[in-house]
Amino acid sequence: NAGVTQTPKFQVLKTGQSMTLQCAQDMNHNSMYWYRQDPGMGLRLIYYSASEGTTDKGEVPNGYNVSRLNKREFSLRLESAAPSQTSVYFCASTGTSGYNEQFFGPGTRLTVL
Amino acid sequence: GNSVTQMEGPVTLSEEAFLTINCTYTATGYPSLFWYVQYPGEGLQLLLKATKADDKGSNKGFEATYRKETTSFHLEKGSVQVSDSAVYFCALYSGAGSYQLTFGKGTKLSVIP
Repeated sequence: NAGVTQTPKFQVLKTGQSMTLQCAQDMNHNSMYWYRQDPGMGLRLIYYSASEGTTDKGEVPNGYNVSRLNKREFSLRLESAAPSQTSVYFCASTGTSGYNEQFFGPGTRLTVL
Repeated sequence: GNSVTQMEGPVTLSEEAFLTINCTYTATGYPSLFWYVQYPGEGLQLLLKATKADDKGSNKGFEATYRKETTSFHLEKGSVQVSDSAVYFCALYSGAGSYQLTFGKGTKLSVIP
């Protein structure tokens, strides 16, 4: 049982390049989330998927797109990376406990030059 | 809207000292409250939770009590160890159809031998 996995762990992009961050969970959870973590800002929600087939914007969605590929996988795409998107990105998932206890992946550290 | 305010760090303590990290919240209704811990280079892990007023969450020697009258959920540990060095996040879940956790900005704890 791997929990929540993310790939890649590290990535360096040039301004304007695109990339997709991958996330998968093996806990049969319904809901999945993408956050970014910046110094002094805590975690900010980018997008979430309440269930397979649905996605919704969070607090900071601009510049990102997401795809809920199936129940296990939830990807985050940067179409044209900008230096302001330099951050650590975390994926999380939650089951049906009713309390929204979220389980986090190890993160992807992205640098945009 | 919902918000979480936690004491700013960094906090530096000697081994075996007593730890308190303050957390207060603003939310409608009766939120669930969480403390997450992030060790260097890792994702967030749930440390403890409380789902109703006067509940005490506890784990690994850490405790926090849900105080509705003061809208607080302070984290305490009687004797910290070097291995407790990490960033601690207070968070709430308001329920009522929301899928989002609201996080505080985090408090970095360093424990020195």
